[in-house]
Amino acid sequence: GQSLEQPSEVTAVEGAIVQINCTYQTSGFYGLSWYQQHDGGAPTFLSYNALDGLEETGRFSSFLSRSDSYGYLLLQELQMKDSASYFCAVRSITGGGNKLTFGTGTQLKVEL
Amino acid sequence: KAGVTQTPRYLIKTRGQQVTLSCSPISGHRSVSWYQQTPGQGLQFLFEYFSETQRNKGNFPGRFSGRQFSNSRSEMNVSTLELGDSALYLCASSLADRGPGLSTDTQYFGPGTRLTVL
Repeated sequence: GQSLEQPSEVTAVEGAIVQINCTYQTSGFYGLSWYQQHDGGAPTFLSYNALDGLEETGRFSSFLSRSDSYGYLLLQELQMKDSASYFCAVRSITGGGNKLTFGTGTQLKVEL
Repeated sequence: KAGVTQTPRYLIKTRGQQVTLSCSPISGHRSVSWYQQTPGQGLQFLFEYFSETQRNKGNFPGRFSGRQFSNSRSEMNVSTLELGDSALYLCASSLADRGPGLSTDTQYFGPGTRLTVL
């Protein structure tokens, strides 16, 4: 099976940098994805790491280390609108199809 | 291009009833997945359909079923509703259908159907 663990809650101030970690146990996956979900809204895709290393997309960066079974999402220049839940997710190589297994989710609170 | 749409947005049912939820994927997307989201269990995979065939199934009882039509629209059905079925049901579509890569792993979610079972 697969499991992805995240901290349940992270709090940071506006303008700061925050890192949301994702540690996983999985037999094999194509890549690590990150999704953002605002209260009452749908998850939206943020970032994807197919290979180890850092991927940067504007204020958001994501990192993957398969050898350490670890990834993280880095949010820079935090804004109030970044207050949301963030999920890491993987798609298994062996399962086939497009089944995504999501992490436990991290609620990010951005304060003034 | 229009996004993923789901109907209805909100639904209230009583125990023992059944419910059918509908999802229209983004035009050109043939893979449609369904997820259940609850505060206690998080986002859990229900099933995935591709070209009218169920390709993957999560660990949910047989009361949960689905289907996909030739135009890629999908429906899910829950029979004999239980209180624990109260949740946000999310539908997601993706462009590619197999193998590695961003286009396959990126799923586009609809706004969800909020189901309340009384």
